[in-house]
Amino acid sequence: AQSVTQPDIHITVSEGASLELRCNYSYGATPYLFWYVQSPGQGLQLLLKYFSGDTLVQGIKGFEAEFKRSQSSFNLRKPSVHWSDAAEYFCAVGRGSNYQLIWGAGTKLIIKP
Amino acid sequence: EAQVTQNPRYLITVTGKKLTVTCSQNMNHEYMSWYRQDPGLGLRQIYYSMNVEVTDKGDVPEGYKVSRKEKRNFPLILESPSPNQTSLYFCASSLSGTSLYNEQFFGPGTRLTVL
Repeated sequence: AQSVTQPDIHITVSEGASLELRCNYSYGATPYLFWYVQSPGQGLQLLLKYFSGDTLVQGIKGFEAEFKRSQSSFNLRKPSVHWSDAAEYFCAVGRGSNYQLIWGAGTKLIIKP
Repeated sequence: EAQVTQNPRYLITVTGKKLTVTCSQNMNHEYMSWYRQDPGLGLRQIYYSMNVEVTDKGDVPEGYKVSRKEKRNFPLILESPSPNQTSLYFCASSLSGTSLYNEQFFGPGTRLTVL
């Protein structure tokens, strides 16, 4: 069965430091992969998605993610975080059988001043 | 402004008292979905709708009902709420349900507490 694992429940990063949020998936075929962000008190917003082609995907707000098939990973990165990046980040994989998404449990990003 | 709206945003109720959470989108999207979000569990899909009059169960449909009589509205009904339905609920919509390529747009969430 397909699944998504985000190993880190919380991550604390100093403002200006680099960030990497981990996502591992289990899926038999080529996965459709997504990262969404949930800012405090708001709904989720799509950061980026991977369907095929270049394994390094650029998204909004300066985020990027790299698809690594050999590691079944789709980690989210940002070179320098800002206080406004404090939020919860969700990785998701598309379930091909019925076009629905399977979601990871989320990683809460805390920014230290 | 293109958006998904949910009402109410916050609701405290008692066990067994029927309630409806409304969801409306103004983007002419075919696909709509309801999720619940619980700490450590991420988002779990309750029901989804590919188009008007077409609904299907998600991963956690027990205790919930939905209807899709019009394209823009997708209410979530709890006929007899129980404390284990205390959660944060999100409605989402996208252009089409038959392609994962389409971004899902989320409402602001409804925080429900069942006492």
